Amino acid sequence: EPEVTQTPSHQVTQMGQEVILRCVPISNHLYFYWYRQILGQKVEFLVSFYNNEISEKSEIFDDQFSVERPDGSNFTLKIRSTKLEDSAMYFCASSPGQAAIDFYEQYFGPGTRLTVT
Amino acid sequence: QKEVEQDPGPLSVPEGAIVSLNCTYSNSAFQYFMWYRQYSRKGPELLMYTYSSGNKEDGRFTAQVDKSSKYISLFIRDSQPSDSATYLCAIFQGAQKLVFGQGTRLTINP
Repeated sequence: EPEVTQTPSHQVTQMGQEVILRCVPISNHLYFYWYRQILGQKVEFLVSFYNNEISEKSEIFDDQFSVERPDGSNFTLKIRSTKLEDSAMYFCASSPGQAAIDFYEQYFGPGTRLTVT
Repeated sequence: QKEVEQDPGPLSVPEGAIVSLNCTYSNSAFQYFMWYRQYSRKGPELLMYTYSSGNKEDGRFTAQVDKSSKYISLFIRDSQPSDSATYLCAIFQGAQKLVFGQGTRLTINP
């Protein structure tokens, strides 16, 4: 069964460093998302992406964050200068999007645990 | 007022019991209601979703929406130890954004 994959599974970085989290969405899906989950808290929406541009973003997704689809298979989240409070599990998701009902089926990857020290 | 509220539990029941998981939401305009299951250190897995009011059944799982009271429920029949996980309710806000509840941690005891 097709699934969303994410690398790395765990990333440790120092405060102020740039990190890139990588995702391979399900093939032929058109919509891509990033969510995050701080330990013990809710899963929170960060951004959605369609047709090579951001379609929606949350207030969390400030200028320090960016997303990119550099080729036909990868989808990345970059954090330019990490802060301690960026430590969280980051989930990539994708949805088919070919029909209106497809938006509601978002399939999540296993996540990347980001630890900022 | 929080958009989606969910009792975090934990909830512990014996194998074979019927489990009832619940959420409340604030905005009557919400139309799509989702249930996800999350195993420890894994991503959320879509179980099922319902549109507007009513029930939806899938095997041992039934999702129910009561729009008059802004209440959504997930029932698990004949619960199994493999059902032990955190269950997340979510509503669809706008075009593409999922808003999740806190999640209820469920343990099924053999």
